Amino acid sequence: GAGVSQSPSNKVTEKGKDVELRCDPISGHTALYWYRQSLGQGLEFLIYFQGNSAPDKSGLPSDRFSAERTGGSVSTLTIQRTQQEDSAVYLCASSLRDRHEQYFGPGTRLTVT
Amino acid sequence: EDQVTQSPEALRLQEGESSSLNCSYTVSGLRGLFWYRQDPGKGPEFLFTLYSAGEEKEKERLKATLTKKESFLHITAPKPEDSATYLCAPGSGTSYGKLTFGQGTILTVHP
Repeated sequence: GAGVSQSPSNKVTEKGKDVELRCDPISGHTALYWYRQSLGQGLEFLIYFQGNSAPDKSGLPSDRFSAERTGGSVSTLTIQRTQQEDSAVYLCASSLRDRHEQYFGPGTRLTVT
Repeated sequence: EDQVTQSPEALRLQEGESSSLNCSYTVSGLRGLFWYRQDPGKGPEFLFTLYSAGEEKEKERLKATLTKKESFLHITAPKPEDSATYLCAPGSGTSYGKLTFGQGTILTVHP
């Protein structure tokens, strides 16, 4: 079946601009996660959604980052007023529930110039 | 605070030379230890979940084992296509959805 998809695959933006990254989870998966992977760094948790529960936003690095999940499916991660340190690969994952194995998408490579 | 340490950071093997990767962890109420493989430019690919000490799982040339404080990924007679970064992530019982990933072990298998 179809895996997790993310768009765009690459995004180059100027410092100070806002960007939106999209994630389509695996059909039927109720949990959705966002991670960030910077060059030479490990995966850093950002936020996760489980069904209709309030999202766990504890990993968001600043209030410039936000995410929403519409209709329990597609999710959008928004970064406002981008900074160069936001340059990274943003990975989305989904799982059946929040205590099951997570399946990752291919990621969006964000470059802030 | 949950902590994960993977060693070695990088491992170079000759084709057919077996070895092991280590994942040491400290979490509150382990609810599962997850292993992933990541190829350059791709998202992590799920390999195994281990739930209790003594548990083992195998897939082709890979075998994962778990103790109370460590997990090992054993690679038997590796091939060049096994070259990748291997990541481990223990799941905490106090934060179900949040996985804390180790820095990974970069495995290179030379023909």
